[in-house]
Amino acid sequence: EVQLLESGGGSVQPGGSLRLSCAASGFTFNTHAMNWVRQAPGQGLEWISSISDSATNIYYADSVKGRFTISRDNSKNTVYLQMDSLRADDTAVYYCAKDLYSVWPPDAFDIWGQGTTVTVSS
Amino acid sequence: EIVLTQSPGTLSLSLGERATLSCRASQYFASGYLAWYQQKPGQAPRLLIYHASRRATGIPDRFSGSWSGTDFALTISRLEPEDLAVYYCQQYSLSPLTFGGGTKVEIK
Repeated sequence: EVQLLESGGGSVQPGGSLRLSCAASGFTFNTHAMNWVRQAPGQGLEWISSISDSATNIYYADSVKGRFTISRDNSKNTVYLQMDSLRADDTAVYYCAKDLYSVWPPDAFDIWGQGTTVTVSS
Repeated sequence: EIVLTQSPGTLSLSLGERATLSCRASQYFASGYLAWYQQKPGQAPRLLIYHASRRATGIPDRFSGSWSGTDFALTISRLEPEDLAVYYCQQYSLSPLTFGGGTKVEIK
């Protein structure tokens, strides 16, 4: 079964840092781009970052550029999101998602994790 | 940035009725690189349609996608109780990838 499992969410003060992880299983991880999408409470979906299969190519949304860093470890079938200088408006459920096809630029997202909650508050 | 505008915000229909959801792009993008997702309360989104009109694996054939120029549509031919959800369109033609604001489908 194809599965994504996020972890690392929690509560943090403004200006703090968190590192999210997404462990993948059930597919050939090193042939697919991976993505992070977030959803603020009661709001819609916001794409925030994508990384190609070999980590050669990376995209960020302007809202997180310079503060968040996406990376992956293909030996561990895991993608990461390092989040620094967190702000209150970063409060959201963070989902990782797999690309449908083994292509770059990113494709449609066919598998999603269950999400991990990040709360930024003093 | 490509802005996707979804309408209506909420759609209230009876079971068995046809639902048509709209997604309009702020600019033309080639190859119909647009997806539709369904999100039920408390769940992660699920891919329904990709490349504007291709059904994802396991998606019932009552879901269909179409497009013309900058206008995209998701049609649910006969509404079932399990179709209660919010539906989002997403373009993956250009970075930044963007989502529409969503359409909530309610059962009357």
